[in-house]
Parts: sequence; C-alpha cells; structure tokens
Amino acid sequence: DIQMTQSPSSLSASVGDRVTITCRASQGISNYLAWYQQKPGKVPKLLIYAASTLQSGVPSRFSGSGSGTDFTLTISSLQPEDVATYYCQKYNSAPPFTFGPGTKVDIK
Amino acid sequence: QLQLQESGPGLVKPSETLSLTCTVSGGSISSSSYYWGWIRQPPGKGLEWIGSIYYSGSTYYNPSLKSRVTISVDTSKNQFSLKLSSVTAADTAVYYCARHVAYYDSSGYRTCGYFDYWGQGTLVTVSS
Repeated sequence: DIQMTQSPSSLSASVGDRVTITCRASQGISNYLAWYQQKPGKVPKLLIYAASTLQSGVPSRFSGSGSGTDFTLTISSLQPEDVATYYCQKYNSAPPFTFGPGTKVDIK
Repeated sequence: QLQLQESGPGLVKPSETLSLTCTVSGGSISSSSYYWGWIRQPPGKGLEWIGSIYYSGSTYYNPSLKSRVTISVDTSKNQFSLKLSSVTAADTAVYYCARHVAYYDSSGYRTCGYFDYWGQGTLVTVSS
C-alpha cells in the first residue's frame, strides 16, 4: 500500500503568516490528492482536490501544489478561523484511499 | 443542499456487530457520479477510510478491515449501511458517512476520488 506522511505534525504561526504543510506519498500518485480541514469538534471539510483545484466556497488564501510524491498546502495569510487539523488524502486508482496523519495548525 | 445523516446504536458490546445507516437527502444515491463511503476517527486520532459503495452495489473496502466489513445500499430508501463485525475497543470512533466522488482512471476504470460532502458523524463506543 501507498503510505502518506505529513510534515510538520503541528505548527504555531502568527496571524498573517504564510503557512506551508507538506504531504508525501511513498509512491507516485500523479495529482490524485485532496486536502481537508477539520476544525476542533467539527466535521472534515474538503479544501482542495486534484492537488491544486480549490473546492467551491473555499477562501482563495488556500492553495495546493505538487504532483507525483510531493505536495504542499499553503495558507497565504493565516487567519484565526484557520485553526484546525489539515489532512491530505490520496485517491489514485487502487484502494485504500488513505489519509495522511494530519497537521495541527494553531495561532502563536 | 445535499445532506447525509448517520444513525445507529452509540454503544456496542465487544465481539458484536456494529451497524450504522446513512440517509442521504437533497440528492439521489443512484447518481452515476458518486460512490458513498464510510470513514472513522478514533478519539483524538486521524481519519481512516473504511469502505465505499456504488449505487449498483459495487464496493471497495480498506484491506485492513475487509474481513470484518460489509457495506450495502438501499436505493429505494436513499440509504447505505455499514456493518463491522467482531468489534473491540479499538473500533471505538466517530463514524462518518460521506459522498465519494467517482472518476475514471487512465485505464478507463471507475474508481473513487475525494469526499465532498460529509455527515455530522456519530460516536460509537465499544464497551461491555
């Protein structure tokens, strides 16, 4: 099975900072990668699919990039409402459709 | 607006079978564009995909759970269901149902993509 890792596991940044989260697949998955945001006590929410396509209604400060094995989620200007855990998920062809372990983001 | 709602017992005894149903409203479960999936999240931990089903009954399961999982669909009720057998305390989690977008890969094979709509989740505790 393809393994998904994320780094860092947690980070603390100031409001307005640029934040970058990395997701790595153990084998190439083309651009079959999604990103989710889960606020404390809430349901996961789709942010990005196909590595870089923003889901409708998601603020433009979120962006995704990458292909193959290395992917990034960037928040261009961190806002208080962005405090959450962020998960990547791979979905190339064969199951399992694995999630990464998550990156917890909070405000410094 | 599409809505998904999980229902089922919140407490299951060890060795018994966990059964949950997801009711879909605001859209048809028989759409050719989607699978319908189950994901779980143990308290304080990450997300684990359990399995997904197409309206025709075609399924994908997580190999780590496959021997214990059955997912079924009832198109007449716009519902799909999860059964997880021989549960232990390790199966204690919030269980989510979600819409799983389908796509065709480079070989023309229909498979599952990302999850775009989620239910609110239901906590299932395994305890005697």
